[in-house]
Amino acid sequence: GQQLNQSPQSMFIQEGEDVSMNCTSSSIFNTWLWYKQDPGEGPVLLIALYKAGELTSNGRLTAQFGITRKDSFLNISASIPSDVGIYFCAGPGGSQGNLIFGKGTKLSVKP
Amino acid sequence: DAGITQSPRHKVTETGTPVTLRCHQTENHRYMYWYRQDPGHGLRLIHYSYGVKDTDKGEVSDGYSVSRSKTEDFLLTLESATSSQTSVYFCAISEGWVGNSPLHFGNGTRLTVT
Repeated sequence: GQQLNQSPQSMFIQEGEDVSMNCTSSSIFNTWLWYKQDPGEGPVLLIALYKAGELTSNGRLTAQFGITRKDSFLNISASIPSDVGIYFCAGPGGSQGNLIFGKGTKLSVKP
Repeated sequence: DAGITQSPRHKVTETGTPVTLRCHQTENHRYMYWYRQDPGHGLRLIHYSYGVKDTDKGEVSDGYSVSRSKTEDFLLTLESATSSQTSVYFCAISEGWVGNSPLHFGNGTRLTVT
């Protein structure tokens, strides 16, 4: 079945550094979503991408929908401690109602 | 939290007992979903609903049933809980199909089956 591969699995960075993570698939996706999950809470939508090549920003976050439709990138600029969490990419696949998730990138920020 | 309430937030139950988890939304969204989240597996779809009384199976539906008698409520039932169903369960909602409308999640129910 369809799978989303996220990398890196985890990152340890210093506060103020920029962060880059990506998500790839062997099959085409027509929508890419990026979520963040804090401990004990549900995933929260950060950015939604619906068009190949699209570049969208949300504050310090920027995400891009790869031109091949098989990948997406999320960048965080000038990281702060509250950026800590797990970041998931997701896209529609399989049955009509299914959103497929990557396994996540765990971000740790050192003050 | 996009107007989504899951109850209970935590539950411990014994193997073989029935369990029902409730999801309540105040957004009047058409689609509702139940996911489970496990280490190493990420988030996986159990069942979803595309309208009142309209439901369909997801990737990991065995051992689970759902019901949606009102737009705002989506129930997940484990008829006879097993230890493999120990997990964190998330309800999600969307206005339309997942390809066009992003999902918004509740804060989860942590279920432990002993």
